[in-house]
Amino acid sequence: QQQVKQSPQSLIVQKGGIPIINCAYENTAFDYFPWYQQFPGKGPALLIAIRPDVSEKKEGRFTISFNKSAKQFSLHIMDSQPGDSATYFCAARGAAGNKLTFGGGTRVLVKP
Amino acid sequence: GAVVSQHPSRVICKSGTSVKIECRSLDFQATTMFWYRQFPKQSLMLMATSNEGSKATYEQGVEKDKFLINHASLTLSTLTVTSAHPEDSSFYICSAEGGALVTEAFFGQGTRLTVV
Repeated sequence: QQQVKQSPQSLIVQKGGIPIINCAYENTAFDYFPWYQQFPGKGPALLIAIRPDVSEKKEGRFTISFNKSAKQFSLHIMDSQPGDSATYFCAARGAAGNKLTFGGGTRVLVKP
Repeated sequence: GAVVSQHPSRVICKSGTSVKIECRSLDFQATTMFWYRQFPKQSLMLMATSNEGSKATYEQGVEKDKFLINHASLTLSTLTVTSAHPEDSSFYICSAEGGALVTEAFFGQGTRLTVV
């Protein structure tokens, strides 16, 4: 019930392409779904987050789509750039102060 | 976003010694801090949750006496790896949340611990 399943494990796109990363959860008590970007040797950085009362959120080139009935959410990186090459983690949590449950991560490589 | 500073970024220590890692929230009061361990090419594994002024809550399988966590103030938490062994070598990361004011989790830069 606490798992967050993330796919794919890795993907390669050309510059300008749209990497799509998917996550699925089971725990219906989760109500906060952030995405983190991590570069090698660095801590994760909060990219964008969504709550279940909206189906989509955009921040710059990053978009989260959320499907509450299917218990799935995804990250789209529009017009991807080589600098977006990183590992992306989805996560889920209940109320603030509770622990985050992380997906397994997706390594994204954007080729020039 | 809020800033969480973790220090040191890298540390090498001899087997049997103890190492302390600091995690500071620079621009908000962190009511809750989390400590993670991350192995190469893997996800973050939560070790413990600490609330200011309270004892840390450790995840199953994490040795409390080996990984000492102190959250003595609203801006500082420390993780001490006691009697370190080579198998403790890893990337340790902290995160902090500020209760009702800062509900997102912000992460430190991580600490690469190498035990030789």
